[in-house]
Amino acid sequence: AQSVTQLDSHVSVSEGTPVLLRCNYSSSYSPSLFWYVQHPNKGLQLLLKYTSAATLVKGINGFEAEFKKSETSFHLTKPSAHMSDAAEYFCVVSPNTGNQFYFGTGTSLTVIP
Amino acid sequence: ETGVTQSPTHLIKTRGQQVTLRCSSQSGHNTVSWYQQALGQGPQFIFQYYREEENGRGNFPPRFSGLQFPNYSSELNVNALELDDSALYLCASSRSVGLSYNEQFFGPGTRLTVL
Repeated sequence: AQSVTQLDSHVSVSEGTPVLLRCNYSSSYSPSLFWYVQHPNKGLQLLLKYTSAATLVKGINGFEAEFKKSETSFHLTKPSAHMSDAAEYFCVVSPNTGNQFYFGTGTSLTVIP
Repeated sequence: ETGVTQSPTHLIKTRGQQVTLRCSSQSGHNTVSWYQQALGQGPQFIFQYYREEENGRGNFPPRFSGLQFPNYSSELNVNALELDDSALYLCASSRSVGLSYNEQFFGPGTRLTVL
């Protein structure tokens, strides 16, 4: 069975400080993992993906995530938050043998000026 | 290259009615997936279509059905609408070679309200 747990429903950071959004997954198969961002009234946009290559994945807008199999984690980080980063972030797992995406419940990121 | 488009953007229906939502996939994509996103929740997988056939289904009742057309566009049909069907419905397309995995590109969604 596949599932995703996003450990924080809300995260607030000050502009210019680091961002950490936490995600743990459960998968019966070697999974692909993704982070998507959803800005208000806009579609989901892919930030980055892990598909069994390098464990440290770099994405768009300065975001990166590290796949840690021993911890079943795929946390999203960014060294310095920008006001435009305020949005809803979703961690997603997909078993490589299948075609479904399993979304977490989302983390709402607030960036304080 | 055009992205994924969905129509309509908003829709209001009453309980018991039927609704059809439409999705045009991104150019070059042959697989379409549909998701339901309730307010404050993550998207839930409804089903996926590949080469005009259903290719996986989530935990949704049979009154949720779909179609994929030869041009890879798709429809989501929901019969006997219930209040809990009120949600944002997202369509995503991807380029699938056989069953190998590829990134999904999402449309902006259709906001369905059931009164």
